[in-house]
Amino acid sequence: GENVEQHPSTLSVQEGDSAVIKCTYSDSASNYFPWYKQELGKGPQLIIDIRSNVGEKKDQRIAVTLNKTAKHFSLHITETQPEDSAVYFCAASTLTGGGNKLTFGTGTQLKVEL
Amino acid sequence: DAGVTQSPTHLIKTRGQQVTLRCSPKSGHDTVSWYQQALGQGPQFIFQYYEEEERQRGNFPDRFSGHQFPNYSSELNVNALLLGDSALYLCASSYGVQPQHFGDGTRLSIL
Repeated sequence: GENVEQHPSTLSVQEGDSAVIKCTYSDSASNYFPWYKQELGKGPQLIIDIRSNVGEKKDQRIAVTLNKTAKHFSLHITETQPEDSAVYFCAASTLTGGGNKLTFGTGTQLKVEL
Repeated sequence: DAGVTQSPTHLIKTRGQQVTLRCSPKSGHDTVSWYQQALGQGPQFIFQYYEEEERQRGNFPDRFSGHQFPNYSSELNVNALLLGDSALYLCASSYGVQPQHFGDGTRLSIL
């Protein structure tokens, strides 16, 4: 089955700096890669996703890149703000008519310091 | 427009008991997935329901079962509870191959 590895496990940056979180996946059939943000006491919230026919996607301060050959994808947050502090999860899935289970990484605790 | 709602928010049980958790999907969604999230870990897929049937299942024992109702809401049942079942149980809903949206979960503690 699919295996997703995520690094780093913790990341501390100064406000205004950029943050990068990296993930690798094992199943070449995976074609959908979402990123979720989870705040304390809350469920994961989708922040951006990318499908395998696209190499990069941006949404304001957030961008995701995908390298299908190397089987890795990354989340980039620019101009970080204190409210970006949370746990971030990458995930991988194979979108088919028979289901779309998500396989998650182990998470990155991002702390944005003033 | 209400998002995914789960009940109860917290639950305390003892070993050997059984538990039922409930989920109402986001309006317009017809697929419900359940995940288990242990402390400090990423969510682990339990199973997914579509058209009132289990469509996919993760590596969880038969003690974990579910149901989906005609209105797309869903229940997760766990029998013969073990200490290791203590976790946050998350429900996610989706439509077709659109992204999954999560509820805030049920925190289950086993004593």
